[in-house]
Amino acid sequence: AQSVTQLDSQVPVFEEAPVELRCNYSSSVSVYLFWYVQYPNQGLQLLLKYLSGSTLVKGINGFEAEFNKSQTSFHLRKPSVHISDTAEYFCAVSDGYGNKLVFGAGTILRVKS
Amino acid sequence: NAGVTQTPKFRVLKTGQSMTLLCAQDMNHEYMYWYRQDPGMGLRLIHYSVGEGTTAKGEVPDGYNVSRLKKQNFLLGLESAAPSQTSVYFCASSSPGTTLTLEQYFGPGTRLTVT
Repeated sequence: AQSVTQLDSQVPVFEEAPVELRCNYSSSVSVYLFWYVQYPNQGLQLLLKYLSGSTLVKGINGFEAEFNKSQTSFHLRKPSVHISDTAEYFCAVSDGYGNKLVFGAGTILRVKS
Repeated sequence: NAGVTQTPKFRVLKTGQSMTLLCAQDMNHEYMYWYRQDPGMGLRLIHYSVGEGTTAKGEVPDGYNVSRLKKQNFLLGLESAAPSQTSVYFCASSSPGTTLTLEQYFGPGTRLTVT
């Protein structure tokens, strides 16, 4: 069975500071990894995904993530955050069957001015 | 192109009442999913469908039923609502095939309260 652990439930950070949201996964098969963002009272939208190839993945809004197979991690980073990045971020894993996703509990990013 | 739409956006039910949530997608996707989102628990898969006329159980299927009579629609039913089903429900869809996809597209959600 697959599982995802997001190590921080909330991350407060000041505007223009760097941020890292941590995600660890467990799976016995090949995995595909995703980060989704949810703005208040909205659905989820894809930030970025790792399917294969380069372990450094770049997404929308200046976010990037690095797949580390030995540490079973897929941490999300942004070098300089904006107030508009305030949202909840979900890490998810799929084994590809039916494209089903297993989500982590989410990390709320609060950007302060 | 509306993407994934959900009806209704909000609903309040009394314990024991029934209701159906409707999800529609206009992207010709084969796969569709129903999730529930609860604070501190992320999204959990209730049921999913890999094609018209087929459905399967996800992680938390108890108390819910689904139907996929048309490719573009996926219905989620609660036969006898319980307070534990108070949640935000999200529908999603995706396309099968190559690993270049796998992305799920989400609807805006339905906020359900059971009193």
